[in-house]
Amino acid sequence: IQMTQSPSSLSASVGDRVTITCRASQTISKYLNWYQQKPGKAPKLLIYAASSSQSGVPSRFSGSGSGTDFTLTISSLQREDFATYYCQQSYSTPLTFGGGTKVEIK
Amino acid sequence: QVQLVESGGGVVQPGDSLRLSCAASGFSFSSYGMHWVRQAPGKGLEWVTFIRYDGTNKYYADSVKGRFTISRDNSKNTLYLQMNSLRAEDTAVYYCAKDPKWELTGYYFDFWGQGALVTVSS
Repeated sequence: IQMTQSPSSLSASVGDRVTITCRASQTISKYLNWYQQKPGKAPKLLIYAASSSQSGVPSRFSGSGSGTDFTLTISSLQREDFATYYCQQSYSTPLTFGGGTKVEIK
Repeated sequence: QVQLVESGGGVVQPGDSLRLSCAASGFSFSSYGMHWVRQAPGKGLEWVTFIRYDGTNKYYADSVKGRFTISRDNSKNTLYLQMNSLRAEDTAVYYCAKDPKWELTGYYFDFWGQGALVTVSS
């Protein structure tokens, strides 16, 4: 299953609302997860099952979607949110990731 | 707290073998599936392999099938990745990652290690 993220990068300011999109090449129900990765660090799980927040993740992060189209939204971008975000399908093996979206400071 | 610590990375030549280890603590290791995920320098994430909590089922990415073997020792709380016939394109940081489902499989990753760098170069 191919996962396509858009955009591949974006520039935004602190306080902005940011939306990242992930599209699957076939239907994956709600088997979609989102990760945040900062330079030199391991990824961190943000959202699982399309819309469930991992424990400890700030409420400004939310996920939505089902089938083939999914969205990660950051309601008010904070300085610590500048990072690369990946989607990942957990519908079937081989497990696959999107290409990533790098969120940079405007 | 959950801790995953990889070791065994290094620089090897094409065709060589290497074994990575991942020492787990802070959770009931024998009750959770485990994965290896890799990231080539400057690139995205690639899932490599998975092993069920009891070691009975294993799955591999096509890119490593027949060359890499995942295993675990639940008595030592340790996950392994045996990598044979290494190629330049296997150069990456290798992360071990925990599956979130107790004695089931979620096929996603709730905790990650810090990563081990494997460089394959002549």
